[in-house]
Amino acid sequence: DAGVTQSPTHLIKTRGQQVTLRCSPISGHKSVSWYQQVLGQGPQFIFQYYEKEERGRGNFPDRFSARQFPNYSSELNVNALLLGDSALYLCASSLGQGDWEQYFGPGTRLTVT
Amino acid sequence: AQTVTQSQPEMSVQEAETVTLSCTYDTSENNYYLFWYKQPPSRQMILVIRQEAYKQQNATENRFSVNFQKAAKSFSLKISDSQLGDTAMYFCAFMKQGDDKIIFGKGTRLHILP
Repeated sequence: DAGVTQSPTHLIKTRGQQVTLRCSPISGHKSVSWYQQVLGQGPQFIFQYYEKEERGRGNFPDRFSARQFPNYSSELNVNALLLGDSALYLCASSLGQGDWEQYFGPGTRLTVT
Repeated sequence: AQTVTQSQPEMSVQEAETVTLSCTYDTSENNYYLFWYKQPPSRQMILVIRQEAYKQQNATENRFSVNFQKAAKSFSLKISDSQLGDTAMYFCAFMKQGDDKIIFGKGTRLHILP
């Protein structure tokens, strides 16, 4: 079975631009979570979606938004990019409904110049 | 709010030696899970070992074992017979039961030297 996939692998954007990152969960998984990992730090929780509903949101500004599609894939959008948004963005999927084990994708490396 | 603290930013050991990575956490929850994740240079976050808080027995996965001290809120990882492939960032992490949000520590960079 394919693991969690993310696209693109990496990208470079300019301050003020907008970016969309994509995540496909493991087949059968209904929950997707997004994390931001700044260089040298542990990942920080951004969002969690289950059955297309937002279940949780971390301490991130409204410039960050996400959604989940009927096929359980997800997009993370970041508007008005700042230099500080440069990070590795990780997506993780789980079965949901209390099944705790999360499987991480390889991440998208975002560089804002 | 829960916090996870890893006090060792970086460690180096010789191949085949045993190494212990430290982690402490703070929570008022009684039901939760603790994890150690490995992140090699490839960036893929890999689950190494997990511990359910209600279990008194320490988890073991081959060369990896934990020392879980619930009262002290301590959760250390021991790697026995370390191998070059163990070189990576190791993150200690916490998750409240019923929640899918994982809280990570800042990580310990582990170098296994030949």
